[in-house]
Parts: sequence; structure tokens; C-alpha cells
Amino acid sequence: EPEVTQTPSHQVTQMGQEVILRCVPISNHLYFYWYRQILGQKVEFLVSFYNNEISEKSEIFDDQFSVERPDGSNFTLKIRSTKLEDSAMYFCASRGQGAGEAFFGQGTRLTVV
Amino acid sequence: QQPVQSPQAVILREGEDAVINCSSSKALYSVHWYRQKHGEAPVFLMILLKGGEQKGHEKISASFNEKKQQSSLYLTASQLSYSGTYFCGTAINRGNEKLTFGTGTRLTIIP
Repeated sequence: EPEVTQTPSHQVTQMGQEVILRCVPISNHLYFYWYRQILGQKVEFLVSFYNNEISEKSEIFDDQFSVERPDGSNFTLKIRSTKLEDSAMYFCASRGQGAGEAFFGQGTRLTVV
Repeated sequence: QQPVQSPQAVILREGEDAVINCSSSKALYSVHWYRQKHGEAPVFLMILLKGGEQKGHEKISASFNEKKQQSSLYLTASQLSYSGTYFCGTAINRGNEKLTFGTGTRLTIIP
């Protein structure tokens, strides 16, 4: 069964450093999302991406965040200057055409120290 | 505004039934239900669309009251594997369908 894959599974970084989280969505999917989940809390929407551009972003997704689909298969989330409060599990999700379920990757646990 | 889930937590004995509710103050296009086990990704269970269409696992049932913007997930004859946190995610637009998740319902099944 096709799945969304994310790398790395765990990333530890120093405050102020840049990190790039990588995702390979399901191949024929068209809508791509990043969500985050702070430990013990609910899943929060960050950004959605369709047709090679951001379609919607939340207030969390400020100028420190950016997304790219550099080569038609990967989907990346970059945090330019990490803060302690960016520590969370980051999930990538993808969805096909039409109304349907979003499939989530296994997540990247980001720890900012 | 995030959907409100109830109850926040429930403990069941194996074989018992449970209902988890999700309500929104906004007009919804779809409601999505996910189960998440500790340290894992949310796993899709069910999607309910405005107009009555549903897609999901055979052993899961749910309802969507469009007038009240409420959805309920029905777990019958619960098994140990049903333990986890259940989230509803709501979408107000067709197309993008970004999900706004509720705070979750922690379900614990005991033998």
C-alpha cells in the first residue's frame, strides 16, 4: 500500500539553526500538507500546498517557515532559525484529487535545544 | 475555531461500546476521524461529507448531522487494539480541505 514517508525520524538542533524536514508524498496525490503536534496536544495545521504554491497557511506559519516541492516528488518544510517552541512532531500529509482522506507520514520529531 | 470533542477520555472494558462526539460552530464540508497511538502518526478511520457520502473502514461507523454540525464516531464491541486518542478533523471548504483538529478523546480499553 502506498505511504507517505518522512525523513529524518528524529532531528535534534540547536536554537537558531536551520532545519529541513523532508517528505515524499504518495505519488499521484495533488494536495500536500504540513501539520505539527506539540507533545500531548492536538494536531495543528501549518500549511497546505497545491499546484506548486501555498494554498493556505496558519498563523503559526510565519516568515521563519517555508515549503518547497523541489523536484516533483519531495516536499520539504524549512525552518530558518529554530526556536525552543518549535520542538514538536511534524507530520506531512497528502491527498488525492477530490474529497478524500489525507494520509499522514510517520512524522519527524524535532527537538530544539 | 477548533471543533469540540467529548468526552475527553473514556475507559472501556473489552467488548463494550463507546460514542465519541465532535461539534463545530462553523458550517462544515467534511469531518474526518483519525486514531493515533502514542508516538505514531494519525491513522485515517472515516470521512463524512456534506450531502451524506461516507468512506472508511468497514468496522467503523459514524454519523454527520449537517444541521447541527455534529459528528459521532461509534465504536462497538471494542477490542484492545482500539486504544488510542481519537481526533476529529473538520474542513469547511471543498478543494483544499485543510483539517482543523479537535483536542482528542483518549480511549483506553482494558481486558
